[in-house]
Amino acid sequence: GQQVMQIPQYQHVQEGEDFTTYCNSSTTLSNIQWYKQRPGGHPVFLIQLVKSGEVKKQKRLTFQFGEAKKNSSLHITATQTTDVGTYFCAGPKTGNQFYFGTGTSLTVIP
Amino acid sequence: DAGITQSPRHKVTETGTPVTLRCHQTENHRYMYWYRQDPGHGLRLIHYSYGVKDTDKGEVSDGYSVSRSKTEDFLLTLESATSSQTSVYFCAIRGLYNEQFFGPGTRLTVL
Repeated sequence: GQQVMQIPQYQHVQEGEDFTTYCNSSTTLSNIQWYKQRPGGHPVFLIQLVKSGEVKKQKRLTFQFGEAKKNSSLHITATQTTDVGTYFCAGPKTGNQFYFGTGTSLTVIP
Repeated sequence: DAGITQSPRHKVTETGTPVTLRCHQTENHRYMYWYRQDPGHGLRLIHYSYGVKDTDKGEVSDGYSVSRSKTEDFLLTLESATSSQTSVYFCAIRGLYNEQFFGPGTRLTVL
């Protein structure tokens, strides 16, 4: 069945270093979404990518959607302690459902 | 946060007891979702609703039932709670552009 895999599961970085998480789908996605969940909090929507090869930026965050629309990445430049949390990708499934990746937990060491 | 509340926020119960979690939204969204979140599994869909009295199963629906008698309320029931249902439960609504807005979550412990 359709799956959305996310790597790495955990990432520890020194403050100021860059961070990237990758999301891969076994099938072509019509769109992909990214969410951030702070420790003890709930997932918060960050962005949605729709077009093949699309790149969107939000300040230090860069989101990419692959040409084949089967993979995506989130890159954070010069991490800060406020970036701590778990980042999830999510892809649509038939029947108005969504598959969430298992998430990448980011720890930023001051 | 799209006016979504969940109750209770924390609950401890015993195996075999029924439990009902409530999700309430104030913005008249059609689609509502119940997820559970467990370490190593991310968010997994339990059930969802696409309108009043219209619901469907997600990938981990066994042991759970739902009801939606009003647009604003979506209830998740564990008929007979088991320890494997210890989890954090999130309700979500779907926005205009398919993005999801999540409630604050309910932490359920089944002893």
